[in-house]
Amino acid sequence: DSGVTQTPKHLITATGQRVTLRCSPRSGDLSVYWYQQSLDQGLQFLIQYYNGEERAKGNILERFSAQQFPDLHSELNLSSLELGDSALYFCASSVGDGLTEAFFGQGTRLTVV
Amino acid sequence: DQQVKQNSPSLSVQEGRISILNCDYTNSMFDYFLWYKKYPAEGPTFLISISSIKDKNEDGRFTVFLNKSAKHLSLHIVPSQPGDSAVYFCAARASGNQFYFGTGTSLTVIP
Repeated sequence: DSGVTQTPKHLITATGQRVTLRCSPRSGDLSVYWYQQSLDQGLQFLIQYYNGEERAKGNILERFSAQQFPDLHSELNLSSLELGDSALYFCASSVGDGLTEAFFGQGTRLTVV
Repeated sequence: DQQVKQNSPSLSVQEGRISILNCDYTNSMFDYFLWYKKYPAEGPTFLISISSIKDKNEDGRFTVFLNKSAKHLSLHIVPSQPGDSAVYFCAARASGNQFYFGTGTSLTVIP
């Protein structure tokens, strides 16, 4: 158990819908990272938050947004979903501002039908 | 554009032998490299890292080698054990704390 909790574990939704993925980082970790893993793809970095502020942005679509709340949990919002958004979405957390020894959650498997 | 590439999707090794996992990258500005290990139905787990100012880092059975001129990273596992069977991802850090992951190599250690 990495200490990073992601909910839900599985999500099936229709195209055009909007979903919210939630991540609770390890106790004491200030950074939260979101990654997307599509079939046969590596982990694609989406976005990082550090202590409530956006810190780095990767290949995140405009239809996607995220935030980190005062209690440090984070949510990834995916809207106007397309079939191609089906993927595993991982959240990771680390104490500091760099992915050195980050701990990953088990992921949320999103299926868009 | 895949800036970090793991060209071998899979690798099989006999128990006790050496496993060598390779990773190539294109961005010379990467300054930090990591290897993660992933079991099915679990998130990736940090394994070992190396700064671009070094060419080798060792942690028990795991050694990472960095060849900056060749833009090549490798992970050596000696001796390999059945419990090492997993998918291994290499990752590299660019400026702005953006991390780029490879597509992974599935290692099978045969008892």
